[in-house]
Amino acid sequence: GENVEQHPSTLSVQEGDSAVIKCTYSDSASNYFPWYKQELGKRPQLIIDIRSNVGEKKDQRIAVTLNKTAKHFSLHITETQPEDSAVYFCAALRSGATNKLIFGTGTLLAVQP
Amino acid sequence: DSGVTQTPKHLITATGQRVTLRCSPRSGDLSVYWYQQSLDQGLQFLIQYYNGEERAKGNILERFSAQQFPDLHSELNLSSLELGDSALYFCASSVAPDANTGELFFGEGSRLTVL
Repeated sequence: GENVEQHPSTLSVQEGDSAVIKCTYSDSASNYFPWYKQELGKRPQLIIDIRSNVGEKKDQRIAVTLNKTAKHFSLHITETQPEDSAVYFCAALRSGATNKLIFGTGTLLAVQP
Repeated sequence: DSGVTQTPKHLITATGQRVTLRCSPRSGDLSVYWYQQSLDQGLQFLIQYYNGEERAKGNILERFSAQQFPDLHSELNLSSLELGDSALYFCASSVAPDANTGELFFGEGSRLTVL
């Protein structure tokens, strides 16, 4: 079955610096890759997603890149702010028969003011 | 507020007991997903229902079962509880049958503590 590995498990950056979180997936047929942000004590919320027909997608300070050959995708946050502090989860899905959205183990991002 | 309602918010029970967690999806959403979140395991996919039918199954234990009712609310039943079942159980909903058609809207979760 699909397996998603996420690194690092914790990441501390200074306010204004960039943060990068990386994920690898095992199922080469995976074609949808969302990222969810979970603030402390709250529910996960979608922040950005990318499909396999696109190599990069950007939304203001966040961007996601996808390397299908290497089966990995990354979340990039630029000009980090304290409110970016949260746990970030990547996920992968192969639509069709399985339809299982499998999440990585999460990255705790701490932005130090 | 995501529009997904989960009850109870907190539940404390003993080993061997059985509990039922309830989820009401957003208005108009036909898909309901259940996820288990424990400290070291992230978000583990348990099961998905779409319009009353099981759509996808993940790592759901045999001691656990779920269903989606005609009014589209869903219940997750956990029986013969063990200490390791202590976790935050999330329900999420979406309008489509496939999880790649847009955001999954998560509820606030039900925190289960097994003593």
